[in-house]
Amino acid sequence: EAEVAQSPRYKITEKSQAVAFWCDPISGHATLYWYRQILGQGPELLVQFQDESVVDDSQLPKDRFSAERLKGVDSTLKIQPAELGDSAMYLCASSHRTGGNTEAFFGQGTRLTVV
Amino acid sequence: QKEVEQDPGPLSVPEGAIVSLNCTYSNSAFQYFMWYRQYSRKGPELLMYTYSSGNKEDGRFTAQVDKSSKYISLFIRDSQPSDSATYLCAIGRNTGNQFYFGTGTSLTVIP
Repeated sequence: EAEVAQSPRYKITEKSQAVAFWCDPISGHATLYWYRQILGQGPELLVQFQDESVVDDSQLPKDRFSAERLKGVDSTLKIQPAELGDSAMYLCASSHRTGGNTEAFFGQGTRLTVV
Repeated sequence: QKEVEQDPGPLSVPEGAIVSLNCTYSNSAFQYFMWYRQYSRKGPELLMYTYSSGNKEDGRFTAQVDKSSKYISLFIRDSQPSDSATYLCAIGRNTGNQFYFGTGTSLTVIP
């Protein structure tokens, strides 16, 4: 069964360090999302790609966060420098935009702890 | 005001009970609705997807959308201990493919 792959599953980093997360969406899915989920809350969108283009990054803290999807397939989310408040689950999701079919499927996430 | 509101619970029910989980939303432009189940320390798993008003059934799960009241529900029949998880609703507009999540309702089914 096709699934969204994310790595690493867990990451501990010191504040002010750089950290990166990787996502490989379901094959053929043109839309890719990065969400952040703080414990006890629902996921919140950070950035949305359609193929290699950014569709929405209005909630991405651009002074420290960056995201890319160079070939329109896999994607990387980077934080530099990491802050204590960045501790959260980072979730990647993908969907296949064909004829209004918009279900989004999530990976297992990367749990980030900043110390 | 948040786009979607969801009671965080926690909700605790005996095994076999019928569970009702609900969300309300503010903007009538939202056209599609999803329910996710999330186990602790895991990613959300898509349970149900509905487009516009009406009911959709899948096994023990029924998703219901009432667009006139801007109210969506997920019903779980014959609840099982394995249903214990956090349930997230998500809503989206037809264009832009962006969707918004509720805060999630924590459910525990007691054997």
